[in-house]
Amino acid sequence: AQKVTQAQTEISVVEKEDVTLDCVYETRDTTYYLFWYKQPPSGELVFLIRRNSFDEQNEISGRYSWNFQKSTSSFNFTITASQVVDSAVYFCALSSNYQLIWGAGTKLIIKP
Amino acid sequence: SAVISQKPSRDICQRGTSLTIQCQVDSQVTMMFWYRQQPGQSLTLIATANQGSEATYESGFVIDKFPISRPNLTFSTLTVSNMSPEDSSIYLCSVREGNNYGYTFGSGTRLTVV
Repeated sequence: AQKVTQAQTEISVVEKEDVTLDCVYETRDTTYYLFWYKQPPSGELVFLIRRNSFDEQNEISGRYSWNFQKSTSSFNFTITASQVVDSAVYFCALSSNYQLIWGAGTKLIIKP
Repeated sequence: SAVISQKPSRDICQRGTSLTIQCQVDSQVTMMFWYRQQPGQSLTLIATANQGSEATYESGFVIDKFPISRPNLTFSTLTVSNMSPEDSSIYLCSVREGNNYGYTFGSGTRLTVV
């Protein structure tokens, strides 16, 4: 069965702290894609990253970084020096058979 | 990547009425998806809409309640029929682009049923 687990329902940190959002997935496919999306209060979904199953290289984009580990089926997302504008719900998703399997989302609250 | 124009962005509707949501894509795409996101929840796939064929509905969703139109490769509509307060959600359309497994989303329709 395909499944994405985001065990952290809500995280609250003070601005400038680093924060890691966890994502654990389950799939029997050998080829798959993993995604992170940001959903601010306005409701739109903002694409952050796509990673295919053959590329375990970690990625950094500004204050954002992603750690993909197939051995633990995890695709964690870290925000360094968090800012109030990072406050949003973050979704991890798995692409399988043309559909996206979504995690429950993690609500991130950055306090000034 | 594709750009999707989704309308309306929000609406407040009376129970028992219907609302049609439109998504216009700036390029031709084969696969379009419609999602529902209930308050505080994750996204739930309603149906997959391919041009030239009937939409494929997920378990728990039926065509009578959520009829979908896909007249061409750049446009689709989702109708929420005979609405009740339980239909209050954000509805999003999405397209899958080519073989790079990229997914683009419309800006969403925030529906409130009173």
